[in-house]
Amino acid sequence: DIKMTQSPSSMYASLGERVTITCKASQDINSYLSWFQQKPGKSPKTLIYRANRLVDGVPSRFSGSGSGQDYSLTISSLEYEDMGIYYCLQYDEFRTFGGGTKLEIK
Amino acid sequence: QVQLQQSGAELMKPGASVKISCKATGYTFSSYWIEWVKQRPGHGLEWIGEILPGSGSTNYNEKFKGKATFTADTSSNTAYMQLSSLTSEDSAVYYCARRGDYGNYPFAYWGQGTLVTVSA
Repeated sequence: DIKMTQSPSSMYASLGERVTITCKASQDINSYLSWFQQKPGKSPKTLIYRANRLVDGVPSRFSGSGSGQDYSLTISSLEYEDMGIYYCLQYDEFRTFGGGTKLEIK
Repeated sequence: QVQLQQSGAELMKPGASVKISCKATGYTFSSYWIEWVKQRPGHGLEWIGEILPGSGSTNYNEKFKGKATFTADTSSNTAYMQLSSLTSEDSAVYYCARRGDYGNYPFAYWGQGTLVTVSA
């Protein structure tokens, strides 16, 4: 089974700050990596798929990068509405989610 | 447009079984895998498995074999997940989801979630 190690598990950041969340897979996942945002009481929402492709309608301040085993999600300039929990997902071999990153505003 | 409408919250006794539904509208139900995800507070998201309604083919996360059973009714465009021998560890929100057409990525569409609470 592929394991996904996501970090940090929680973080505080200031409005306007650049934020980066990382995920490391236990093996090469060939860029089959998505990023989700989840707000309290809501279903997760896909932001990025195939490591770096932005879902239609997602603000351009979100970007994804990486290859092989190492991937990252970057928010270029944090806005208040970006608070929530972020998850990565590998879908190269079935599915495995990362443990999540709780992002709070400082 | 694609919509996945899940059944309502359930309160169950330990040892019982529960069957959650996920009604699909806005697309050809038989052609797309429906996936199921578990979310417990403090435990993140776990992939349970998937079913292709048109064929009944299934894939299960090893961890959930024997716990979850997927079925689908193409006449009503509804997918089901039954959870058996419930314990407190099964108390969670369960989601159904489907991949997108454009980009072909998983979990493009989600149901609203079904809360299952297991309590004596």
